[in-house]
Amino acid sequence: GESVGLHLPTLSVQEGDNSIINCAYSNSASDYFIWYKQESGKGPQFIIDIRSNMDKRQGQRVTVLLNKTVKHLSLQIAATQPGDSAVYFCAENTPFNQFYFGTGTSLTVIP
Amino acid sequence: EAQVTQNPRYLITVTGKKLTVTCSQNMNHEYMSWYRQDPGLGLRQIYYSMNVEVTDKGDVPEGYKVSRKEKRNFPLILESPSPNQTSLYFCASSANLRGGGYTFGSGTRLTVV
Repeated sequence: GESVGLHLPTLSVQEGDNSIINCAYSNSASDYFIWYKQESGKGPQFIIDIRSNMDKRQGQRVTVLLNKTVKHLSLQIAATQPGDSAVYFCAENTPFNQFYFGTGTSLTVIP
Repeated sequence: EAQVTQNPRYLITVTGKKLTVTCSQNMNHEYMSWYRQDPGLGLRQIYYSMNVEVTDKGDVPEGYKVSRKEKRNFPLILESPSPNQTSLYFCASSANLRGGGYTFGSGTRLTVV
């Protein structure tokens, strides 16, 4: 199967600082990527997506960067808040329309 | 409210006793999928469905069955549950896999003893 992994399983940041969560994917043909946020006791929730014809996309306080050369995604959260504490997953969509998810990074925001 | 509804939220059962986890979506989505989530393994796809009466195996289909008789419903069936199927299960639906991905339900925590 496909392999989507994260470099760091846990991340702690001070409230107000910026957070960067990284993700490596394995299928160079994947053309669509999503970051999900999962809070305790809930299902994953869509944050932001990016297509392979882009290398950067910005949302509200979040930015996703895509480096196809090294098959790497990152999620940047600006001015991290306590409500951002959650597990973050990246997912890749392969040409076969299959989504593969990473194992997740747990983000803890320290007040 | 647009949502994916799973039931039950929590279930404890015994080995071999057939069970069904229901999933329903009210967004008229064509795509539906079941995932299981295990520590250190992330979300793994069990089965998916591209439309009514069309279902396909995901990465970990063994021990599971699904059906898609109506667009809104996609039940997950465990004919003879075993302890290795103890997991957190998520149902998800999507209108466009390349435009927004999946909307997930709140999850079903299944324990098989």
